[in-house]
Amino acid sequence: EAGVAQSPRYKIIEKRQSVAFWCNPISGHATLYWYQQILGQGPKLLIQFQNNGVVDDSQLPKDRFSAERLKGVDSTLKIQPAKLEDSAVYLCASSPVGFEQFFGPGTRLTVL
Amino acid sequence: AQSVAQPEDQVNVAEGNPLTVKCTYSVSGNPYLFWYVQYPNRGLQFLLKYITGDNLVKGSYGFEAEFNKSQTSFHLKKPSALVSDSALYFCAVRDNTGANNLFFGTGTRLTVIP
Repeated sequence: EAGVAQSPRYKIIEKRQSVAFWCNPISGHATLYWYQQILGQGPKLLIQFQNNGVVDDSQLPKDRFSAERLKGVDSTLKIQPAKLEDSAVYLCASSPVGFEQFFGPGTRLTVL
Repeated sequence: AQSVAQPEDQVNVAEGNPLTVKCTYSVSGNPYLFWYVQYPNRGLQFLLKYITGDNLVKGSYGFEAEFNKSQTSFHLKKPSALVSDSALYFCAVRDNTGANNLFFGTGTRLTVIP
């Protein structure tokens, strides 16, 4: 079974630029999550989708972050404009409803 | 509100010795607890979970964890450490509101010394 796919794996941008990350979950997994993991910290949930609907986006900085999951499969997370403090690893995870989450390899973002 | 504490940033253990990585939690209602491991430049890998039932949970790669309700702990253990176990370990508790969100601890770096 293929795992959660994410791209790109690494991205370096300058502050105030925009960036987008892509995630393809495990086939059949209804729930998709985006986490932000800052160096030295545990992952923090940004947004959760169930199929193509948002379940929880309470921790998403909506003035600069946006996410969508069209057709209930893959998802895109966007940051516009980026700030220095957005430097982190962005993890995507998926799960069948109510079960443990499976994580992708992450995208390491560096904002200069 | 739910939270997880991992009191040790770093744990060092000699190869072949038993290892313990500590975790305590705070949650209203019944806890759903998880351990994940993260290797360099890799995503988190699921190790084991406690939902209900036996307090000793067995997981992947020979790891196990003991749920202790009175001490609100869920320590990760392995009888004999391998050098390849060296990684970053995260304890997590699931949101009980039905959203299935995970709240992670800050992680413990385990180093197994040959």
